Amino acid sequence: EDQVTQSPEALRLQEGESSSLNCSYTVSGLRGLFWYRQDPGKGPEFLFTLYSAGEEKEKERLKATLTKKESFLHITAPKPEDSATYLCAIRPLFGGATNKLIFGTGTLLAVQP
Amino acid sequence: GAGVSQTPSNKVTEKGKYVELRCDPISGHTALYWYRQSLGQGPEFLIYFQGTGAADDSGLPNDRFFAVRPEGSVSTLKIQRTERGDSAVYLCASSVLETGELFFGEGSRLTVL
Repeated sequence: EDQVTQSPEALRLQEGESSSLNCSYTVSGLRGLFWYRQDPGKGPEFLFTLYSAGEEKEKERLKATLTKKESFLHITAPKPEDSATYLCAIRPLFGGATNKLIFGTGTLLAVQP
Repeated sequence: GAGVSQTPSNKVTEKGKYVELRCDPISGHTALYWYRQSLGQGPEFLIYFQGTGAADDSGLPNDRFFAVRPEGSVSTLKIQRTERGDSAVYLCASSVLETGELFFGEGSRLTVL
C-alpha cells in the first residue's frame, strides 16, 4: 500500500537552531515527492518537487533531499516566520489516469524568537 | 482574484441536510482536485477532474458525495444526507496540466451538528 509517514509530529526550535524533518514513504513506483507548507486556517502552499534519488532543491532557508526510501526537509537558521505545518506527499507512478497525491500527517514546526 | 476561491468559508448544518461547496480555480488551470482534511491529519484525496470529466473519483467515501465541473472551470462538491463524520475542511486545488504542484484554496470548513 502506498503511504507516507512523517516525523516528528511536532518540533520546537529556537531561532537559528537548524534541524531536519523526515518523510518516509512506501510506493510501488514514484512519480514525484512533494513538500508543502500549511499555515493555520490556510490551504497548503507548494514548496518543492523531487523526482529521483539524489536530487536536492533549495529555497531560502529550506533544502529538500530525496533517497529511495525517504526525504528530508532541512531548515537552516530558522526564523519565527518559518513556523507552520510541513506536509510531505507522494504521487504514485501506477494507478491509471489518477493524478492524486498521498499526504502524510505533517510536522508542526514552532520556531521561538 | 489570482488564487483558488472557495465558498462558503464556513458552513454549519444539521445531520441529514444537503450541502454544496463551490470552487473557482485559477483561470487556465485544466486540472481540479478536491481533498478533505480532518483536524491533525493531512489532506485526503477525494476526486480529480481533467476538464469537465472526473478522471479519478476513487477517493469519494460513498455515494452521498458527488462532484461536478460542467463547463471545465467552477466545480461543486455535493454532499447528501450529511453525517457528523463528514465534518472537516474541504480543500479545492487546481493545477496546470498534470503536475503535483497544486494551488490550494483556503478551504470550506464544514461542521455537521
